[in-house]
Amino acid sequence: DTGVSQNPRHKITKRGQNVTFRCDPISEHNRLYWYRQTLGQGPEFLTYFQNEAQLEKSRLLSDRFSAERPKGSFSTLEIQRTEQGDSAMYLCASILEGSYNEQFFGPGTRLTVL
Amino acid sequence: AQRVTQPEKLLSVFKGAPVELKCNYSYSGSPELFWYVQYSRQRLQLLLRHISRESIKGFTADLNKGETSFHLKKPFAQEEDSAMYYCALSPQNTGNQFYFGTGTSLTVIP
Repeated sequence: DTGVSQNPRHKITKRGQNVTFRCDPISEHNRLYWYRQTLGQGPEFLTYFQNEAQLEKSRLLSDRFSAERPKGSFSTLEIQRTEQGDSAMYLCASILEGSYNEQFFGPGTRLTVL
Repeated sequence: AQRVTQPEKLLSVFKGAPVELKCNYSYSGSPELFWYVQYSRQRLQLLLRHISRESIKGFTADLNKGETSFHLKKPFAQEEDSAMYYCALSPQNTGNQFYFGTGTSLTVIP
């Protein structure tokens, strides 16, 4: 296992299009997190899954954002009707429950909305 | 509301000098605090967490609840310490959410 992976690594889209990102956590990790990071800022929490259940969702998360983790393994983050303000790095992280909350991060997906 | 503040965006020190990266937080309960590091072209990784009271790569951090701080310290900086450092908080040790500061870019001058 090579750690958390994310695809694609880069995505360029036009405003108004829908995009979907995928995150594959470390195989035995049951907790999965999505973050957004813009230039000069730290990662901003978006949502959290424990197995397939989405347990937390940031109040800042627009209705255009939706995330799933259907079988408790990989997760997808979809952004509908993208806006230029959605341009950011989207990070995924996973945790093995009982590991003192050490997050393992993926390399991120960089989204550019033109 | 929870908040993590890292007042220094940029910090430069000479090799061998002590370094301190500041982190202050606001949270009314018992938080769990972390320091994450991102080296050039690498992904974010955990450096240390207050609960384990460990020293990693010569770095230490003490949780000061009175001052609501979790400053990261190292007595003698090395060139390989140059990186972006983020302080993070998890409320009530639940692991349900994590709040990150804006980060401090540390440059160790040879």
